[in-house]
Amino acid sequence: RKEVEQDPGPFNVPEGATVAFNCTYSNSASQSFFWYRQDCRKEPKLLMSVYSSGNEDGRFTAQLNRASQYISLLIRDSKLSDSATYLCVSLGSSNTGKLIFGQGTTLQVKP
Amino acid sequence: NAGVTQTPKFQVLKTGQSMTLQCAQDMNHNSMYWYRQDPGMGLRLIYYSASEGTTDKGEVPNGYNVSRLNKREFSLRLESAAPSQTSVYFCASMRQGASTDTQYFGPGTRLTVL
Repeated sequence: RKEVEQDPGPFNVPEGATVAFNCTYSNSASQSFFWYRQDCRKEPKLLMSVYSSGNEDGRFTAQLNRASQYISLLIRDSKLSDSATYLCVSLGSSNTGKLIFGQGTTLQVKP
Repeated sequence: NAGVTQTPKFQVLKTGQSMTLQCAQDMNHNSMYWYRQDPGMGLRLIYYSASEGTTDKGEVPNGYNVSRLNKREFSLRLESAAPSQTSVYFCASMRQGASTDTQYFGPGTRLTVL
C-alpha cells in the first residue's frame, strides 16, 4: 500500500463548478501535510499547507482529519487556469524534510 | 534570486554513458533533494542531503550517486545510464527545521536513455 494515496482522476468539470479531492495517508506519525500543484511538464509548486483546524486561501479550502487519516482539497468556482495535477504530500520527518508524494489527481476545467 | 536551478534542461544518452545533473540553490537552505518522476507515478526520492556534508538514500537510489559539493550545490550522477532511468529529474531544497517548511523545486531535467 502506498503511504499517500490519491484518486488519479481525471476530474473533468465545467467552469464555475466546485470540485473536491481526497487523499489518504497510512503513517499516523506524519506531522505535516501539503497540497502542491503541478502544471504539465513543470515543477511542483506549493499550493497550500494543511492544518488540523482547516485553512482557506481564496477559492481553495484544505482540511485534515487525523482520526480518519485523510486530507481534502476543495476548489470553488473553478477557473480554466485551475487545470493541473494536484499532489497530496505528507512530511514524514521534520529532521530530514523527507516528503512523501501521492501520485497526483488531474483536474481539467472546461469552458 | 533565482531559487533552485538545474542543468541541463534536456539530455539524451546512450545506454552505458555517464553524466552528472547539476543543481544549485541561492536561498541558503540546509536540505536538498533529488527526485524522479515517471508517467502515472508520484515523485520518488532518489537521494537527499539534510545538511552540508551529509547524504542519505531515498526510495530509489540504485544506479545513482550524489555529491553535496557545498551548501549551495547538490549533484546527481549516473555512472552507467540504463533505459529504466529515462525520467524527469527534479531537484529541491528546503530550509529545514519547522514542520511548516516547504520544498522549492527546480525546473527539472528531462533525460532520455536510448
